Amino acid sequence: NAGVMQNPRHLVRRRGQEARLRCSPMKGHSHVYWYRQLPEEGLKFMVYLQKENIIDESGMPKERFSAEFPKEGPSILRIQQVVRGDSAAYFCASSPWDEGGQPQHFGDGTRLSIL
Amino acid sequence: AQSVTQLDSHVSVSEGTPVLLRCNYSSSYSPSLFWYVQHPNKGLQLLLKYTSAATLVKGINGFEAEFKKSETSFHLTKPSAHMSDAAEYFCVVRGYNQGGKLIFGQGTELSVKP
Repeated sequence: NAGVMQNPRHLVRRRGQEARLRCSPMKGHSHVYWYRQLPEEGLKFMVYLQKENIIDESGMPKERFSAEFPKEGPSILRIQQVVRGDSAAYFCASSPWDEGGQPQHFGDGTRLSIL
Repeated sequence: AQSVTQLDSHVSVSEGTPVLLRCNYSSSYSPSLFWYVQHPNKGLQLLLKYTSAATLVKGINGFEAEFKKSETSFHLTKPSAHMSDAAEYFCVVRGYNQGGKLIFGQGTELSVKP
């Protein structure tokens, strides 16, 4: 399967713990995007990264959330000290380059539940 | 700034009848527009895209959409619904100066009755 791979598919955390969500883009794709989907809502952009660079983080909450896309390995979305409101589905997408017509290919998401 | 509005939160059709899912967009520039489908507990699959070429765009699974600049619309249609079409559909815009950011509509849930 050469698609966008996200893991884990489901993640349960208690309030105050840390959540780490991983995303491996499609082969040959160097652009990664993270989106959050709250229940009964559409997806909301969080952050756009290229290898070792954050290009646009305008959708990221100012505190507790961070993202990286290292030279080697998957992209990581990290949520520190999780709260109930962080419960959502988090989707990663990738594209080969940043150009208006290029579609983004999505993973199956990580469903984060906060107890 | 770019935005999309999906005019119906829920559409119900009978199997074999036409499907119409409505979307209006707002963009200062010539937009790139997409329709994605999401099945329960799955990721998003691209149905079709418009990028300033032909205004009638054909996608997968018999879906198509027509870009109408005068009406700022990009409605999704299918001549004959199938049970497997039941899912959530998202109209998405990616503006010229928005970098990589996709802006999603609220989604339309399509139900297909036998």
